[in-house]
Amino acid sequence: GAVVSQHPSWVICKSGTSVKIECRSLDFQATTMFWYRQFPKQSLMLMATSNEGSKATYEQGVEKDKFLINHASLTLSTLTVTSAHPEDSSFYICSGIQGSGGWQETQYFGPGTRLLVL
Amino acid sequence: QKEVEQNSGPLSVPEGAIASLNCTYSDRVSQSFFWYRQYSGKSPELIMSIYSNGDKEDGRFTAQLNKASQYVSLLIRDSQPSDSATYLCAVRNRSNYQLIWGAGTKLIIKP
Repeated sequence: GAVVSQHPSWVICKSGTSVKIECRSLDFQATTMFWYRQFPKQSLMLMATSNEGSKATYEQGVEKDKFLINHASLTLSTLTVTSAHPEDSSFYICSGIQGSGGWQETQYFGPGTRLLVL
Repeated sequence: QKEVEQNSGPLSVPEGAIASLNCTYSDRVSQSFFWYRQYSGKSPELIMSIYSNGDKEDGRFTAQLNKASQYVSLLIRDSQPSDSATYLCAVRNRSNYQLIWGAGTKLIIKP
């Protein structure tokens, strides 16, 4: 299967600072990338969908000015959590799809980034 | 009604037995169906995908799809303790690339 990496895998930051998380597709070109958030014992929650070179589409309730997403190339998407607060502490996971995005496309997930805001 | 429903469990199965995981979905035009496994503290990994009615087998795993009844299931034969995880069902409809996720079923395989 296709490989997606994320960096960093763990980050601890102080309240009010910004954190950038990188998501890279290593062996395929990800035309579309997705960013999820997962709180303990809960399922995945889609935050936004990004296409290379376009503005991200955010899900209802997700603040686009707080969670900045940039999909600058077909292999890199970044999520920046601006002015992070303790309630932003969560497990952030990206995924990507290759090809034209047909209905059989499989989403390949990165290993996730665990964010702890103190 | 949730779009994709799964029993949250935990489902406890003895080692060596068959584990049966079920998922129902509400959107009749859904076309593709996926089972992901998620270990605690890890991200989801794809187990199987299925697009047509019937069974699809891959090693110890069998996915079953019944579009008329709007359910998809995953059978795990010869269950091993390493199969203990949360199993997520995901469904994609025709209109976009997004997956609609179930809440997951926690599976525990008892040695």
